[in-house]
Order: sequence, then structure tokens, then C-alpha cells
Amino acid sequence: SAVISQKPSRDICQRGTSLTIQCQVDSQVTMMFWYRQQPGQSLTLIATANQGSEATYESGFVIDKFPISRPNLTFSTLTVSNMSPEDSSIYLCSVRDVKKQYFGPGTRLTVT
Amino acid sequence: DQQVKQNSPSLSVQEGRISILNCDYTNSMFDYFLWYKKYPAEGPTFLISISSIKDKNEDGRFTVFLNKSAKHLSLHIVPSQPGDSAVYFCAASANAGGTSYGKLTFGQGTILTVHP
Repeated sequence: SAVISQKPSRDICQRGTSLTIQCQVDSQVTMMFWYRQQPGQSLTLIATANQGSEATYESGFVIDKFPISRPNLTFSTLTVSNMSPEDSSIYLCSVRDVKKQYFGPGTRLTVT
Repeated sequence: DQQVKQNSPSLSVQEGRISILNCDYTNSMFDYFLWYKKYPAEGPTFLISISSIKDKNEDGRFTVFLNKSAKHLSLHIVPSQPGDSAVYFCAASANAGGTSYGKLTFGQGTILTVHP
């Protein structure tokens, strides 16, 4: 099984600023995924991050708002840019093996 | 367009009895289904999964049933324990071996409360 850690675990940020969330996996994985869970909502996929190539974004999400880096097979970052209160969510990193998909503990972001 | 739906926001069950959580989907391309448990302030924890080539998968106290013709799946927990109290999400993916690998569509979640 994969063990995923995220930093920070939570943060309170001012409107208009940016926050970079880090995701570390204890094994090498080809693809990493970033999800978010808005308050009272389900989990929604933001983008897929492959090592050595640009991330692939889902409908409704753009690179300028959520730039992603994937410098190696165990690490990725997601930046939430120019934040507004609507960005207040839990942001989760995820990886998948053959039968299971694992999630990190999440980063709880509050934008004031 | 909610492709995965959990129509029961909450479920209350007595300890020792069976918990049945339901999930419906609309996208016929979904071929792999997963159930997750989530506690507050934690990430989702994988419980059990099922491929569309099967109609049942069992792991300890957890059994998932898939009815492809009805586009319906259910998670049975028996016997239920107070520690099972959490939010349960069903999730689905399409074309598991292809470009959609790892892309999950989640339901809204069902809050399960197991009373001692």
C-alpha cells in the first residue's frame, strides 16, 4: 500500500495570496492526482500529474489557477493561486495501484 | 450532472446489525467501483472495490454488490460496529486501464452512525 503525506495539514490565508501544497508518496508512482472537497460537497478531481510532462486538468480547472509541479516519481505540489473564499476546501493528493486508490490526509484551506 | 449518486444523506444502525449503503450511477462507461470511509480531518480510506466483470466482492465484514443492469451498487457491513461511524463515499472510474486510470467520480457521501 502507498503512504501519502501532505504539507501543510491546514492553513488560513488571505484573499489574493497563493498557497503551495506538497504531496510526498513513499513509493514511486507514475501518476498522481489532486482532488478537492468543498464544504458539504463530494470530492472532485482537479488534475492528473505525470512526471516529466504537464499536468492534465479537468473541466472547470485551469493551470493559471492551480499550477502543478511533478519533479520526480514520489513528489508533487499544487498551488492555489490568487485565492478567494470560494477556494476554501480540503485539497487531497491521491495515487493508484492496480486495485486500490489511496488518498493523503488532506490540506484544509480557509480563505478569509 | 451528478453521475454517481448516494441518495441517502444519512443512515442510523444499531450495533451488531447490518448496514446497507446504496449508490447509483448513470455513466455506462464506468467499469470499476470503490467504497471509501472518511473520518473528519482525515483523507478517505479505501474499503473495498469491484470490477464490472463481477457482481460481488467480499472482504471480511464488508461486501459490495454490483447490479450493472440497474446501474446500482451497495455496500453491506455486517456486523456493524460503533467504530464504523463515518462518512461513506462510493466512487467510480471508466476505462480503468486507459487514460481515465485513477480518475474517480464520487458520490455525495452517506453519514453512517452505528449506535452501541
